[in-house]
Amino acid sequence: GAVVSQHPSRVICKSGTSVKIECRSLDFQATTMFWYRQFPKQSLMLMATSNEGSKATYEQGVEKDKFLINHASLTLSTLTVTSAHPEDSSFYICSARGQGRGSPLHFGNGTRLTVT
Amino acid sequence: AQSVTQLDSQVPVFEEAPVELRCNYSSSVSVYLFWYVQYPNQGLQLLLKYLSGSTLVKGINGFEAEFNKSQTSFHLRKPSVHISDTAEYFCAVSGIGSSASKIIFGSGTRLSIRP
Repeated sequence: GAVVSQHPSRVICKSGTSVKIECRSLDFQATTMFWYRQFPKQSLMLMATSNEGSKATYEQGVEKDKFLINHASLTLSTLTVTSAHPEDSSFYICSARGQGRGSPLHFGNGTRLTVT
Repeated sequence: AQSVTQLDSQVPVFEEAPVELRCNYSSSVSVYLFWYVQYPNQGLQLLLKYLSGSTLVKGINGFEAEFNKSQTSFHLRKPSVHISDTAEYFCAVSGIGSSASKIIFGSGTRLSIRP
């Protein structure tokens, strides 16, 4: 089945630094990847849609200059949290949708970001 | 635009008892529907999906869901739960379209199994 690999699984960084999270589709090509953020005991909030070879589409209220998304190839999308602050601490999950109509999202295992 | 409502934030059930997790959606267009399960500190795993055809959909781990268009519902059921089913369950909806169509998630239902 379709596998999405997300790295790192856990990261701790200091305020003001930047953190990069990678999302790879291992056995399929994903022209579109999605980045979600999940607060404790809450649902997934879509942050942005990452399109291979073009700019990402951000949801309302998500700062594009703070959450930089790059989708350089059909199998890799990255999310960089720039100048991180403690309020950016959260669980970030990437997903990729397979080809064809009705394809479900395949999720990475998430990245737990803690900003101190 | 689509939206999903999961009315029950928590559902406690005894082991080997049946369970139903409710999901209602709204959409101005035809939809695809999904149920995902999330174990602690992990990503989401697809349980089942409805695209078209038979309204009763069977998924992994003994779960099934029934699409009811008139009631705009897609409730998840399992006839006999196990301790290992303890997790967060998310209902999701997507408008029919390209692979770039967004999938919108409900707020989730925490299923806790009591021995």
